[in-house]
Amino acid sequence: AQSVTQLDSQVPVFEEAPVELRCNYSSSVSVYLFWYVQYPNQGLQLLLKYLSGSTLVKGINGFEAEFNKSQTSFHLRKPSVHISDTAEYFCAVSEASFGNEKLTFGTGTRLTIIP
Amino acid sequence: DADVTQTPRNRITKTGKRIMLECSQTKGHDRMYWYRQDPGLGLRLIYYSFDVKDINKGEISDGYSVSRQAQAKFSLSLESAIPNQTALYFCATSWGQNTGELFFGEGSRLTVL
Repeated sequence: AQSVTQLDSQVPVFEEAPVELRCNYSSSVSVYLFWYVQYPNQGLQLLLKYLSGSTLVKGINGFEAEFNKSQTSFHLRKPSVHISDTAEYFCAVSEASFGNEKLTFGTGTRLTIIP
Repeated sequence: DADVTQTPRNRITKTGKRIMLECSQTKGHDRMYWYRQDPGLGLRLIYYSFDVKDINKGEISDGYSVSRQAQAKFSLSLESAIPNQTALYFCATSWGQNTGELFFGEGSRLTVL
């Protein structure tokens, strides 16, 4: 069974500074990896995903993530954050042979942007 | 209007009461899911349905039941609510392909006193 770890529960960052949200996963087979974002009082929406191919994945709102198989990581980055990026971010993993119902979500990282 | 609509958005109820959370979608997706979100625990899958006649238990189905009344409607019931079912509940939908992309409603906040 797969698992995902988000070590940072809260990350405060000054506006226009870079940010990295960390995600590590555990699985014995090939995986698909995802980042979802939850804005205040809203449901989650997909930010980006890695299924196969290039290990650098670009998503919406200027975010990108890099799949690192040797380090079993899928960290999310943005070079310059804005107030509107304030949200909770969830990393998720599923084994490539399984379906959407096998998505395992991390515990979330709350990103707070400081003006 | 939202593609995935949940009602009610907020509900306060008492221990032992029956409560139903409803979800409807206009995305035309076959697959629908109910998740529970608790602070510090992320999202956990309660039930999922691939079509009207295919309903499956998720990770934490005890104490919950579901009904898929139509392709577009998937309701979650708590037959006898208890305080530790206080949480934020999300309905989600997806295409048939296993791409990992789920489309979420805005959530139903349930408080059980």
